[in-house]
Amino acid sequence: DQQVKQNSPSLSVQEGRISILNCDYTNSMFDYFLWYKKYPAEGPTFLISISSIKDKNEDGRFTVFLNKSAKHLSLHIVPSQPGDSAVYFCAAHSGGSNYKLTFGKGTLLTVNP
Amino acid sequence: GAVVSQHPSRVICKSGTSVKIECRSLDFQATTMFWYRQFPKQSLMLMATSNEGSKATYEQGVEKDKFLINHASLTLSTLTVTSAHPEDSSFYICSAETSGAYEQYFGPGTRLTVT
Repeated sequence: DQQVKQNSPSLSVQEGRISILNCDYTNSMFDYFLWYKKYPAEGPTFLISISSIKDKNEDGRFTVFLNKSAKHLSLHIVPSQPGDSAVYFCAAHSGGSNYKLTFGKGTLLTVNP
Repeated sequence: GAVVSQHPSRVICKSGTSVKIECRSLDFQATTMFWYRQFPKQSLMLMATSNEGSKATYEQGVEKDKFLINHASLTLSTLTVTSAHPEDSSFYICSAETSGAYEQYFGPGTRLTVT
């Protein structure tokens, strides 16, 4: 049972436009959400996170939106740059004292010059 | 800050041998480290959680006798793949977190190929 779902395996965007990456989850106990960026043959890099008590968090070109009622979050990148081309993973923390994260399968973003 | 290193970055070994992968937090103390495995075009699969000074907690389906984890200090965790087989070939990634933070910081990964 996949608790964190990224239904779009890939997304292609023109440079300068907005990239919107989506993530859905099923576990209502998730209390913290994170986005990671990953290049091939490298470890993921932390991008931005949001607590379940918030609905928006912004950091430079990256904004994460959380809709708890819909169990949906999205990552907006604007303006998109070719260097943003990578796989983006959505991850969620399920609360409690452990720090385990559940990851989605990732979305490959390609930003075309 | 929050740099995690892994060594080696790539290793090729023969079937039946053991391979040790090191994960180090370079500029912070990591109370908890995680070991993941990633298959091509798949998500990160958590293998185990290791806390400094205690036994690792393995996820369901992960053989603890095959994947030995040691977290001897607040900056070092090791994963030993014992009696490796070709099906163990994968990309292994470690991560670390500091106490009280949910963000995990990942190492660059180790590509293991078992021939």
